[in-house]
Amino acid sequence: DVKVTQSSRYLVKRTGEKVFLECVQDMDHENMFWYRQDPGLGLRLIYFSYDVKMKEKGDIPEGYSVSREKKERFSLILESASTNQTSMYLCASSRVDGLEQYFGPGTRLTVT
Amino acid sequence: QQQVKQSPQSLIVQKGGISIINCAYENTAFDYFPWYQQFPGKGPALLIAIRPDVSEKKEGRFTISFNKSAKQFSLHIMDSQPGDSATYFCAAGEYNQGGKLIFGQGTELSVKP
Repeated sequence: DVKVTQSSRYLVKRTGEKVFLECVQDMDHENMFWYRQDPGLGLRLIYFSYDVKMKEKGDIPEGYSVSREKKERFSLILESASTNQTSMYLCASSRVDGLEQYFGPGTRLTVT
Repeated sequence: QQQVKQSPQSLIVQKGGISIINCAYENTAFDYFPWYQQFPGKGPALLIAIRPDVSEKKEGRFTISFNKSAKQFSLHIMDSQPGDSATYFCAAGEYNQGGKLIFGQGTELSVKP
């Protein structure tokens, strides 16, 4: 059974804190993605990675960075959390030759 | 040009009825159109997908209709059941763009018993 896991289901952080969201997949997928999900806006791509140490900006990368040191792990970093980054964050992975994305359960981040 | 517009934002259907969700896109380079289903507390999961070489694809009670000239596609759920209550996202992508998908805004479907 394919699996994408995210380190936390719920997270509460204070404004200005550095926040790490971790994602691990066990399917040996080359591609990994970070989205944020907001009501009425759907899923918006923050960053994606198609190989270890490779990354590309998505549609809304401002205020975020990522790290991919191992194939199975993709981290999203909020350098200085702000209240407008309160959201649901979803991680996904896919094969290099496929478009089907497999999603984790999400992390609901609240920044106060 | 990269947007995918989805409607309606929410939908209430009686059990046994037909649920219809519509999406429109601008980028004619898109060649993959999936629908994802998301239950509360879960991540989205692929429900059904279509390529532009066919106008319709059916899997059980779920059908995608695709109109290439109008740049529109839709999801039809026949005989809707309370267990279909979920949020549905359409998306579009290109096979040669590294697996990126552009998602619609989502439709929250509620099927009343």
